[in-house]
Amino acid sequence: GDSVTQMEGPVTLSEEAFLTINCTYTATGYPSLFWYVQYPGEGLQLLLKATKADDKGSNKGFEATYRKETTSFHLEKGSVQVSDSAVYFCALRGSGGSNYKLTFGKGTLLTVNP
Amino acid sequence: DTGVSQDPRHKITKRGQNVTFRCDPISEHNRLYWYRQTLGQGPEFLTYFQNEAQLEKSRLLSDRFSAERPKGSFSTLEIQRTEQGDSAMYLCASSSQGRDQETQYFGPGTRLLVL
Repeated sequence: GDSVTQMEGPVTLSEEAFLTINCTYTATGYPSLFWYVQYPGEGLQLLLKATKADDKGSNKGFEATYRKETTSFHLEKGSVQVSDSAVYFCALRGSGGSNYKLTFGKGTLLTVNP
Repeated sequence: DTGVSQDPRHKITKRGQNVTFRCDPISEHNRLYWYRQTLGQGPEFLTYFQNEAQLEKSRLLSDRFSAERPKGSFSTLEIQRTEQGDSAMYLCASSSQGRDQETQYFGPGTRLLVL
């Protein structure tokens, strides 16, 4: 079945540091890929998405590129802020007309210190 | 658009009791999903509705769990004879059938603690 593996946390960075959170997936066909973020005490929010190979999703300075050859969707940000402290989840939605569920990774806790 | 809402936000119950959670999706969304999230894990899919029809159920959804979506609007998730292993965050999400159908919008969740 579909699965998502993402970098174990926690990750602790200083403000303005470069961020990479690795995510790889296993799925048949051409899944859609997502990054969700969960701020303390809040629900999951979509951060960015990519629906086909070589697409780049971007939002709030975060970027991720759908790499089918390496089955990866790594999250990057050039300069993190304290307000980026949260748990980040990589997820996929399988291809096929009746496949609507999301499969999530375990999440990566990011803490950004001033 | 007020987003997906869930009620209650927190529930503490004793083992063996029944609990029911409610989810109100974004008003124009015809698809609704339930997920369960335990500590340190990502959300796991439980079930999915398109309008009032329950189209998919995970094997995680034991016979003690039942979900409904009467009239294709709000949904309820009931857990009968709760067990300590049911303690988790229960998340509801909704999506449309239109342009943005790929995106699921999540509610704040209901945190269940079974004593």
